[in-house]
Amino acid sequence: DQQVKQNSPSLSVQEGRISILNCDYTNSMFDYFLWYKKYPAEGPTFLISISSIKDKNEDGRFTVFLNKSAKHLSLHIVPSQPGDSAVYFCAASDAQGGSEKLVFGKGMKLTVNP
Amino acid sequence: GAGVSQSPSNKVTEKGKDVELRCDPISGHTALYWYRQSLGQGLEFLIYFQGNSAPDKSGLPSDRFSAERTGGSVSTLTIQRTQQEDSAVYLCASSPGGALFNEQFFGPGTRLTVL
Repeated sequence: DQQVKQNSPSLSVQEGRISILNCDYTNSMFDYFLWYKKYPAEGPTFLISISSIKDKNEDGRFTVFLNKSAKHLSLHIVPSQPGDSAVYFCAASDAQGGSEKLVFGKGMKLTVNP
Repeated sequence: GAGVSQSPSNKVTEKGKDVELRCDPISGHTALYWYRQSLGQGLEFLIYFQGNSAPDKSGLPSDRFSAERTGGSVSTLTIQRTQQEDSAVYLCASSPGGALFNEQFFGPGTRLTVL
């Protein structure tokens, strides 16, 4: 039973355009959400996070939106750059419940074409 | 400077053999996690160590899998009697723990291939 779902395995966009990566979750206890980015042969690196008390968090070109009622979050990258090409993982945790574990989605491969 | 390191980077073994994978976390990080990523799958949680507390082993897929963390630092993941389905990239992460548990720093992983 997948609690964090990234239903699209890949996305291809042109440089300069917006990339939108989607993530759905099923566990209503999740209250903290993160995006990680992974290049080949490297471990994932933390990108941006959002707490359930917010619906938006922005960091430079990266913005994460959270829709709690829909149990949906998305990562927007604008403008997209070729160096953004990587696999992006959505992750969630039940932080208020004391869990220190993250539940990850399957990842989505983003390709930004020059 | 160090980030999380893992060794070996690649391991090829024959079915039925035992393997040991090593993780050196960031100095001072109290929390250490093991994940694995099988082909086409996300990161699957295996085991979590936090300080001196008993590890959370809820993600270990079978009793062939075990892990230790010695002295609150280095960790070893052991897979006994390996099977072909154990082939995956095994990732280790560490974090400061506590309120900063979400800041998990990952190593580059060990790619395990069981023939």
